[in-house]
Amino acid sequence: QQQVKQSPQSLIVQKGGISIINCAYENTAFDYFPWYQQFPGKGPALLIAIRPDVSEKKEGRFTISFNKSAKQFSLHIMDSQPGDSATYFCAASFSGSARQLTFGSGTQLTVLP
Amino acid sequence: DTAVSQTPKYLVTQMGNDKSIKCEQNLGHDTMYWYKQDSKKFLKIMFSYNNKELIINETVPNRFSPKSPDKAHLNLHINSLELGDSAVYFCASSRTRGNTEAFFGQGTRLTVV
Repeated sequence: QQQVKQSPQSLIVQKGGISIINCAYENTAFDYFPWYQQFPGKGPALLIAIRPDVSEKKEGRFTISFNKSAKQFSLHIMDSQPGDSATYFCAASFSGSARQLTFGSGTQLTVLP
Repeated sequence: DTAVSQTPKYLVTQMGNDKSIKCEQNLGHDTMYWYKQDSKKFLKIMFSYNNKELIINETVPNRFSPKSPDKAHLNLHINSLELGDSAVYFCASSRTRGNTEAFFGQGTRLTVV
């Protein structure tokens, strides 16, 4: 059972454009929603995270939008750059799970110069 | 200094062999994890240890056995390797079991031939 569904599987964006990646979750006990960025040959690294008590969080060019009623959250990358080309994973966890992360299936983002 | 380090980075071995992957974190974290990333890049939790105590053991074959000699180390031993074990294995750590941010190592690419 895939508890966190992520789309699209791949995304190609022109430099300067907006990249949008969407995730939907099933378990209403989830209370922490991070996004991880993974470059080839590297481990995932935390990019930005949100808790369900806020609807939006922004850090630089990266914004998470959260819709609790729809059980959806999304990552927006403004002014996308070629250096943003990577695989992005949404994830979720809840306090009763020793904070193990349940990951989405990943989105391969390519930003064209 | 590498925060979470794994060795080896690459491991090629024949079916039926036994192999180990080592992980060390120098962050002073209490909780460590093993994740498996398959060929489609899907990340899934395998084990979690908190202060050397096993707290999460997802449905993985008994051939996989984690060992934590101290809270800075979490090794993964795999017996009787099978072709389907080929994947990238990531070690990760977090400050406490309730802490949200997980720091990942660079991964160990295991290829079983």
